Amino acid sequence: GAVVSQHPSWVICKSGTSVKIECRSLDFQATTMFWYRQFPKQSLMLMATSNEGSKATYEQGVEKDKFLINHASLTLSTLTVTSAHPEDSSFYICSARAGQGAETQYFGPGTRLLVL
Amino acid sequence: AQSVTQLGSHVSVSEGALVLLRCNYSSSVPPYLFWYVQYPNQGLQLLLKYTSAATLVKGINGFEAEFKKSETSFHLTKPSAHMSDAAEYFCAVSEWAGTALIFGKGTTLSVSS
Repeated sequence: GAVVSQHPSWVICKSGTSVKIECRSLDFQATTMFWYRQFPKQSLMLMATSNEGSKATYEQGVEKDKFLINHASLTLSTLTVTSAHPEDSSFYICSARAGQGAETQYFGPGTRLLVL
Repeated sequence: AQSVTQLGSHVSVSEGALVLLRCNYSSSVPPYLFWYVQYPNQGLQLLLKYTSAATLVKGINGFEAEFKKSETSFHLTKPSAHMSDAAEYFCAVSEWAGTALIFGKGTTLSVSS
């Protein structure tokens, strides 16, 4: 089946630093990847849609200069949290769909970010 | 606009009992509907999906869900709960194939022995 990986699975950083999270589709090409954020005991909220070779589309209220998304290849999208603050601490999950019009999204295992 | 409502943030059942997790949706077009399961500190695993084919959808781990257009529902069921079913369950909807998912708030399923 389709597998999506994320790296790292856990990251702790100091306030003001930047953190990069990678999302990879391991056995399929993903033209579109999605980034979600999940606070404790809450649902997933879509942050942005990442299309290979073009700029990401951000949801309302998500700062594009703070959450930089790059989708440089068909198997890799990265999310960089710039100048992280404690309120950015959360569980970040990516998903990928295999091809245009594919209705199923496959989710990565998530990255837990703790900003001190 | 699409939305998903999961009734009951917490459902508790005994091992061997019927599991019923409720999901209602709103969509202006025939939707694509999904159920995902999430174990602690993990990502989401697809249980099953409805994509306008059969209204009764069978998924993994003995789960199934029935799409009822008249009730705008897509409830998840399993005849006999197992301890390993204890997890967080999310219902999600998308209007078009491959677009981002809109998630419900989730239902925590607890299974007691």
